[in-house]
Amino acid sequence: SAVISQKPSRDICQRGTSLTIQCQVDSQVTMMFWYRQQPGQSLTLIATANQGSEATYESGFVIDKFPISRPNLTFSTLTVSNMSPEDSSIYLCSGTVTGQNTEAFFGQGTRLTVV
Amino acid sequence: AQSVTQLGSHVSVSEGALVLLRCNYSSSVPPYLFWYVQYPNQGLQLLLKYTSAATLVKGINGFEAEFKKSETSFHLTKPSAHMSDAAEYFCAVSGGGAQKLVFGQGTRLTINP
Repeated sequence: SAVISQKPSRDICQRGTSLTIQCQVDSQVTMMFWYRQQPGQSLTLIATANQGSEATYESGFVIDKFPISRPNLTFSTLTVSNMSPEDSSIYLCSGTVTGQNTEAFFGQGTRLTVV
Repeated sequence: AQSVTQLGSHVSVSEGALVLLRCNYSSSVPPYLFWYVQYPNQGLQLLLKYTSAATLVKGINGFEAEFKKSETSFHLTKPSAHMSDAAEYFCAVSGGGAQKLVFGQGTRLTINP
């Protein structure tokens, strides 16, 4: 199994600013992902964080808005840039542990409110 | 491509009653199927998973689910509900492993005393 620590757990931000969310895993993970959960809705995949290279974004998400880094196997960041109230969501990171790719572990999420 | 439909955004049962949360999927390849639970202000916890082995899958906290290919379903059940089961439940599908999960809309389970 893996424990994924995510911070901050919540934040209230002014529109037009940016927030960087960090995700740290206690073991090596093969793949890391970032999801968004808008209020009252399900989770939507934003992107796959690739170690040492540019993330792979899903349709509707772009790097300029959601830049992602993954400098090593256990750490990733997601930045929500130039925020607007529509970005108010829970953002979760996820990882699949090396050799156990049939289970994805999730961080506790970052609850973002943009005012 | 994969998709998931969870029937019923809100299910309410009495404590001790049967819990049945419905999930139907669509997948162009043999699916991997998952049920996750989300407690308030927490991340997601895996309840159980189907990975093409046994069709009846047992998970944590007394939950189980049965994969029915003919019905493209993966319904979650628990024989006797407990107050601590109150949470949001998500069904998810992928085309391989636990990568790039596609989630259903979620079902909020309420347990009545």
